[in-house]
Amino acid sequence: EPEVTQTPSHQVTQMGQEVILRCVPISNHLYFYWYRQILGQKVEFLVSFYNNEISEKSEIFDDQFSVERPDGSNFTLKIRSTKLEDSAMYFCASSPVRESEAFFGQGTRLTVV
Amino acid sequence: KNEVEQSPQNLTAQEGEFITINCSYSVGISALHWLQQHPGGGIVSLFMLSSGKKKHGRLIATINIQEKHSSLHITASHPRDSAVYICAVRQNNDMRFGAGTRLTVKP
Repeated sequence: EPEVTQTPSHQVTQMGQEVILRCVPISNHLYFYWYRQILGQKVEFLVSFYNNEISEKSEIFDDQFSVERPDGSNFTLKIRSTKLEDSAMYFCASSPVRESEAFFGQGTRLTVV
Repeated sequence: KNEVEQSPQNLTAQEGEFITINCSYSVGISALHWLQQHPGGGIVSLFMLSSGKKKHGRLIATINIQEKHSSLHITASHPRDSAVYICAVRQNNDMRFGAGTRLTVKP
């Protein structure tokens, strides 16, 4: 069964460093999403991406965040200068059309020290 | 104000019991999702609803658009149903999540 794949599963980084979280969405899906979940808190929407551009982003998704689909299969989330409060589980998801179920990856746990 | 409210926050049941988890929302939505988050953190989509009712195995989800309310039911609950169940609503291309209901089913 097709699935969304995220790498790495766990990333530890020093405060101020740049990190790139990687996702491979399901191949025929057109909509891509990033979400985050700080430990013990609810899932929060970060950004949605369609047709090679951001279609919606939340207040959390400020200038230190960026997304890219560099090669037609990968979908990446970059955090330019990590802060302690960026420590969270980051989930990638994809869906075939806008109004359909989203398929989630297993998440990347980011720990900023 | 929390746009998506779930109840209860925690629920413990005996194996075989019928489970109901509720979700109320305050915004206009295009769809409502029920998600299951396993103890390891992974998220699985259970249902997407925009009206009426859907059934998949022992799971049933209903939505009342006028009342801005949805329920997730689990019939004949089993310990493997133990997880956090999350309601999420889609507004345009944004998605707002409830805090989740932690379900524990005891054998």
